[in-house]
Amino acid sequence: RKEVEQDPGPFNVPEGATVAFNCTYSNSASQSFFWYRQDCRKEPKLLMSVYSSGNEDGRFTAQLNRASQYISLLIRDSKLSDSATYLCVVLTGGGNKLTFGTGTQLKVEL
Amino acid sequence: EAQVTQNPRYLITVTGKKLTVTCSQNMNHEYMSWYRQDPGLGLRQIYYSMNVEVTDKGDVPEGYKVSRKEKRNFPLILESPSPNQTSLYFCATGPRESSYNEQFFGPGTRLTVL
Repeated sequence: RKEVEQDPGPFNVPEGATVAFNCTYSNSASQSFFWYRQDCRKEPKLLMSVYSSGNEDGRFTAQLNRASQYISLLIRDSKLSDSATYLCVVLTGGGNKLTFGTGTQLKVEL
Repeated sequence: EAQVTQNPRYLITVTGKKLTVTCSQNMNHEYMSWYRQDPGLGLRQIYYSMNVEVTDKGDVPEGYKVSRKEKRNFPLILESPSPNQTSLYFCATGPRESSYNEQFFGPGTRLTVL
């Protein structure tokens, strides 16, 4: 089983739609969680950290469920510019090891 | 401007010919790391460095070497490249407690080993 698993997609959604991605992780001792965004073969960039209480940044909402070991990302009112690959990232190993999921591809269409 | 630079950005080489990919950052970060990204496998850590002269293996260190002689530079060395090292490579940096915070990635180096 992979340490961090994501549905690769692609998710094809119309502009304005709400879309949700899930990510599961296998190490119950994982400490911190993040969503990164990666545009086509460019460098990943931090989208948002994921806090236990859930957090929101504009149209983006991240949730963490430690009991079930999954993280979610909700995007409301999708824009064409949201088209990208979204990487779920988990911190383990005493704070030194970041493990990346393989990413979920989102395509927002007119 | 805060940035992470990698050179070269693209490289085609042949099996066994030693090469070095440079990574340099101007953000005075202690933590630096190298990843490779392959289809279906995601980003995998090769080596990381918590500070000058301190380096540790990541998940896939075989066939690679690194050095950290100064804070701003963290070169990745392939002593004898093989075709299975064909990949997209990213350098990343962050402050000492980087793993709790944002990591900043370089633009990537696309390496092809024939």
